[in-house]
Amino acid sequence: EAGVVQSPRYKIIEKKQPVAFWCNPISGHNTLYWYLQNLGQGPELLIRYENEEAVDDSQLPKDRFSAERLKGVDSTLKIQPAELGDSAVYLCASSYDTRELFFGEGSRLTVL
Amino acid sequence: AQSVTQLDSQVPVFEEAPVELRCNYSSSVSVYLFWYVQYPNQGLQLLLKYLSGSTLVKGINGFEAEFNKSQTSFHLRKPSVHISDTAEYFCAVKGSGTYKYIFGTGTRLKVLA
Repeated sequence: EAGVVQSPRYKIIEKKQPVAFWCNPISGHNTLYWYLQNLGQGPELLIRYENEEAVDDSQLPKDRFSAERLKGVDSTLKIQPAELGDSAVYLCASSYDTRELFFGEGSRLTVL
Repeated sequence: AQSVTQLDSQVPVFEEAPVELRCNYSSSVSVYLFWYVQYPNQGLQLLLKYLSGSTLVKGINGFEAEFNKSQTSFHLRKPSVHISDTAEYFCAVKGSGTYKYIFGTGTRLKVLA
C-alpha cells in the first residue's frame, strides 16, 4: 500500500514569491492534515480536512496561506507571498479514524 | 485542552545502553498517547500508541512505553539502543473523542559508538 506522497521534497524561493505543495493521502483516508514543523519543534496543525471540507483551519494564516482538497483526495497548500519566516517543513498526514496519523516525508521550504 | 511536555531536548547515550525518553501530558479528558520517530529529512513514523487496555505498550524496533495515569506520563524506553536509533522522537496526545493531535517539542536521541 502506498503511503502519503508529498511534492516537492525541497523548494527554495525568493521572498514574496508564491509556492505550492501537493499531497496525495493514503487511499481511503478521508481525513487529511497539513502541519507546519519549524526547526527543532514538533508539528503544529495548519488545517484539517474531512473529505472536501476544511473542518479546522483556525491556525491557518489566511492572509497568505490557502489550501484546497478538491474531490476529497489530493490537497494543495499554497503560500502567496512567501516570507522569510515561512522557512520550515510542511508535513501532510492522513487517517481513516482517530487512532493513528500517517505522515508523508514532508516538503522543506527555504525562503531567501 | 491537551498539552505535552518532553522534558529532555537531547539525550546522548552509548550504544547497547538502555534509554528512557520522558513525556508528560495534561488533559481534562481521556486520551490517546503516541510516540513518533523522525529520521533526518523524513516524515514522522509511528513507534507505538496507547489507546486503552494494558498500560505497557510495545512498539516497533524494540521500543516500549508505559502509560501512567496518576503521573500523567508516557515515557518511552528501550533496553539496548543501536546507532540506527539516532533520531528525533516526538510524544503526542489526543483527546479520545477528537481529531486534534498535540505534539511535544521533541527529544533528540544521539547514540554514541
